[in-house]
Order: sequence, then C-alpha cells, then structure tokens
Amino acid sequence: DAGITQSPRYKITETGRQVTLMCHQTWSHSYMFWYRQDLGHGLRLIYYSAAADITDKGEVPDGYVVSRSKTENFPLTLESATRSQTSVYFCAGSSSDQGEQYFGPGTRLTVT
Amino acid sequence: GQNIDQPTEMTATEGAIVQINCTYQTSGFNGLFWYQQHAGEAPTFLSYNVLDGLEEKGRFSSFLSRSKGYSYLLLKELQMKDSASYLCACVDSNYQLIWGAGTKLIIKP
Repeated sequence: DAGITQSPRYKITETGRQVTLMCHQTWSHSYMFWYRQDLGHGLRLIYYSAAADITDKGEVPDGYVVSRSKTENFPLTLESATRSQTSVYFCAGSSSDQGEQYFGPGTRLTVT
Repeated sequence: GQNIDQPTEMTATEGAIVQINCTYQTSGFNGLFWYQQHAGEAPTFLSYNVLDGLEEKGRFSSFLSRSKGYSYLLLKELQMKDSASYLCACVDSNYQLIWGAGTKLIIKP
C-alpha cells in the first residue's frame, strides 16, 4: 500500500499555463500538506489542510490554489505557471498537525 | 525570524560514527524531527524529540537540548546505504514544521 501517491511524477509546462498536481492518500490522514523543495532551501510549506473543505496557507502560497472536497484527494493548482515555480513538489499526510508526516514520491515540475 | 541551521555537507567512512548537528531559533517549540532523504526520493521519518535527552533507535540516535536550541543525529556503524540527506525540522508555536536545508552525508568505503 503506497499510502500517498502523486501524479504526474514529471511534468514540463510552459510559462502562463495552468497545471494541476494530484495527490491521493489511502490511509485516511486528517492532515495533508503541499511542499516545494528547491536546492539550498529546506522544504517550504505551500498549503495545508486539516480536513475536507478546510485549507490554510503556508509559507509560500502565492501563485498556488488548493482544494480538498474529499479527504483522500488534495490537488495543487498553479494558476499561471512561472519559471520560479520550477521545483520538486511533495505531498504529505499526517494524523495531526505536529505528528510524523508521510510523504508521496514527489512531482518534478519544470516550467519553460 | 525562524531559522534552522545544519551543515550543508559531511563526509564519513563506512563503519565509523558521524554526528549531524542542528541548531534552531523558532517562535515557540513543540518538538523536533529528523528525516532521511535519499537522492531523488521522498523524506522518510527517523526520529522525534520533544523532551531533553537522547532517543536511541538501533544505529540511529537523536539528542535534544531545548535550553540550547540544539539537536544532533548520531549514526553509528555507518553503511553505504546511509549516504543521503538528513533533514532537521522543528514544530513551531503554530504547530507548523520549519525545515532546515538538510545535510548531505557522503559515506566513503
């Protein structure tokens, strides 16, 4: 059981396009998180969700939109992709806001 | 501001012991995590400390001193598969994780 799955694993898109990264969990975690990871930086929180229909901004939310209509899905949308959004994106789940987080395999996004 | 400091890179020899340090300055403190991340893969949980002292888990141990804002991860009997990045992360007063940039550990035979 993979727990947290992400799709696509790799994506190349052009500046200005809208792109959605999918995250699906099978473990019924209450909390879900979206991070980006860039060289020289720690993981930076984009958005998180405490439950279905409850989302909140993290450290770097600008240019991103999330939704969580179902507990198991937490898609991340880049409304108009920019080169600065080239990164590796990780989705994670947890039973609490301060508990151990379980990460998906990541999506490597390149914006040209 | 909030800050987590770790060395960028460390090198150690197979079979030896290595200590990876992490110092933190956060608004409030509700615990500290260590994660391991192999190149191209997702982070995986190693340890969690919220009280001062040493937590031992097999070849890996993690230490915390809240008064000094300091933690370390100790890896014993190093194996080649331990080559990875080690991420330190603190839970702040808002119960959000603040992550360090990670320490890349290179193991040489």
